[in-house]
Amino acid sequence: GQQVMQIPQYQHVQEGEDFTTYCNSSTTLSNIQWYKQRPGGHPVFLIQLVKSGEVKKQKRLTFQFGEAKKNSSLHITATQTTDVGTYFCAGLTGGGNKLTFGTGTQLKVEL
Amino acid sequence: DSGVTQTPKHLITATGQRVTLRCSPRSGDLSVYWYQQSLDQGLQFLIQYYNGEERAKGNILERFSAQQFPDLHSELNLSSLELGDSALYFCASSPWVTDTQYFGPGTRLTVL
Repeated sequence: GQQVMQIPQYQHVQEGEDFTTYCNSSTTLSNIQWYKQRPGGHPVFLIQLVKSGEVKKQKRLTFQFGEAKKNSSLHITATQTTDVGTYFCAGLTGGGNKLTFGTGTQLKVEL
Repeated sequence: DSGVTQTPKHLITATGQRVTLRCSPRSGDLSVYWYQQSLDQGLQFLIQYYNGEERAKGNILERFSAQQFPDLHSELNLSSLELGDSALYFCASSPWVTDTQYFGPGTRLTVL
């Protein structure tokens, strides 16, 4: 079945440093979504990417969908303590009925 | 607040028991999804319902079952509980089949 892996599994950064998490699918995706889960909270939708090579920005967050639509990345510039949480990508296959969530990257930001 | 409600918030029970978790989707959403999240684990998709019909199945054990009712709320039934079933169970909803999912606050199940 479809697998969606994320690396790294964990990342500790100092506040102000940049952070990137990568998402890789074993199959081509029709779209990819990103979610953030704060500690003790529930996943919250951040963004959806649909087109090959698409890049979207939300303030300090930059999301990219690969040309082959099998990988994606989330880059945070100048991290802040409010960025702490686990970031999940979720990929949808063209003919699929379900969104497959990635393994997640847990981000910790230290002052 | 996502608009998705889940009850109860916490549930403590013993091995071998049966419990029912309840989810009310956002107003107008037809799809309901159930996920299991164990400590420091990712989101394991269990099952999806769309407008009352089972739409997709993930890694759901035979001891687990779910249904979606005509008013679109959903219940997840967990039976013959084992220690390993202790986890956070999230419900999510979306307007159609493969849209953005809105997650509820979760039910934390502890099996002693």
